[in-house]
Amino acid sequence: DSGVTQTPKHLITATGQRVTLRCSPRSGDLSVYWYQQSLDQGLQFLIQYYNGEERAKGNILERFSAQQFPDLHSELNLSSLELGDSALYFCASSPWGGPSETQYFGPGTRLLVL
Amino acid sequence: AQTVTQSQPEMSVQEAETVTLSCTYDTSESDYYLFWYKQPPSRQMILVIRQEAYKQQNATENRFSVNFQKAAKSFSLKISDSQLGDAAMYFCAYRSANSGDMRFGAGTRLTVKP
Repeated sequence: DSGVTQTPKHLITATGQRVTLRCSPRSGDLSVYWYQQSLDQGLQFLIQYYNGEERAKGNILERFSAQQFPDLHSELNLSSLELGDSALYFCASSPWGGPSETQYFGPGTRLLVL
Repeated sequence: AQTVTQSQPEMSVQEAETVTLSCTYDTSESDYYLFWYKQPPSRQMILVIRQEAYKQQNATENRFSVNFQKAAKSFSLKISDSQLGDAAMYFCAYRSANSGDMRFGAGTRLTVKP
């Protein structure tokens, strides 16, 4: 158990809908990362937050947005969902967000768009 | 943009033997970090080992070691005394020290035969 929690574990929705994925980092970690793992695109870094501020941006679509709240939990919002958005979405956390830090991954949220 | 290539989609090793997983990357940056992550059937992403680009000495973690060839942009993972629990997908990853962007290879599925 990494100490990172993600909810929900599974999510089934329809095209065009909007969903919110939630992540709670390990106790004491200030930085949160979001990743997408799909059969087509493999494992992709989406975005990183540090203490509420966006720190780094990867291949995140404009239809997707994220934020980190004062209590340090983070939410990833996916809107206008398409079939291709079906994937496993991981959240990870690290203490300070530095590039050499170990990132501790959550168990993931599996999203299925029908 | 940085790219990470894992040329071996699948590898197999006999229990107690040694196996090497290959990874090459392309970058114009001089400051970066390299990682190997393990993803067992549970889907949990677990850090295996990390290498700082500025360090010439190859990283070692118990049975896991890397062969880091900076000029060749190569970062292979050697697993010694392979155990059944080593069976998993292994991902090579590059992280920019400047942008924080993280790139993953397509992964190598390792099977360990008893």
